[in-house]
Amino acid sequence: EIVMTQSPATLSVSPGERATLSCRASQSVSSNLAWYQQKPGQAPRLLIYGASTRATGIPARFSGSGSGTEFTLTISSLQSEDFAVYYCQQYNNWPPELTFGGGTKVEIK
Amino acid sequence: EVQLVESGGGLVQPGRSLRLSCAASGFTFDDYAMHWVRQAPGKGLEWVSGISWNSGSIGYADSVKGRFTISRDNAKNSLYLQMNSLRAEDTALYYCAKGWGMGGYFDYWGQGTLVTVSS
Repeated sequence: EIVMTQSPATLSVSPGERATLSCRASQSVSSNLAWYQQKPGQAPRLLIYGASTRATGIPARFSGSGSGTEFTLTISSLQSEDFAVYYCQQYNNWPPELTFGGGTKVEIK
Repeated sequence: EVQLVESGGGLVQPGRSLRLSCAASGFTFDDYAMHWVRQAPGKGLEWVSGISWNSGSIGYADSVKGRFTISRDNAKNSLYLQMNSLRAEDTALYYCAKGWGMGGYFDYWGQGTLVTVSS
């Protein structure tokens, strides 16, 4: 099983600042990586797939990069609505296997 | 508009069974893989199981393998999860999610159905 590790667990950022979130895979997943945002009481929302392609309707301030085992989600200038938990997910081994990272909570500093 | 509506959750005793359903609408159901993802209270997301458009490919997380069975009925636009031998650690909000791309990531999610395993 591919293990996905996200860091940090919590990131404290001021509105308007840049946030950089990391995701590491225990083995190469090529570019088969997605990022999701989840707000309290809501279902997750797809932000990025293919490591760097924004999903429909996702603002340009969200960008993804990386390949192989190291990935980054960058939020260029945090807006109030961006404070949430972010998850990475690999799909390189689908079928039959998919795995999520443990999540990074982005909170207001 | 894509809609995924889960049902079937509830309180169940350890060792018992429960069947979840997901009713899909707003897209051509039999064109896409479908998945179940769960979230224990206050915890992160855990992929549970997925099924390809024609049921030809199925996968399970190690934590549920041998106890849970995923299935779909394309004629009814419905996804199912049969959960047997339930444990306290299966307590979670269970989301139905639509696969996108090659089916391995999720572009639409339902609002979830809560399963509580407790005596």
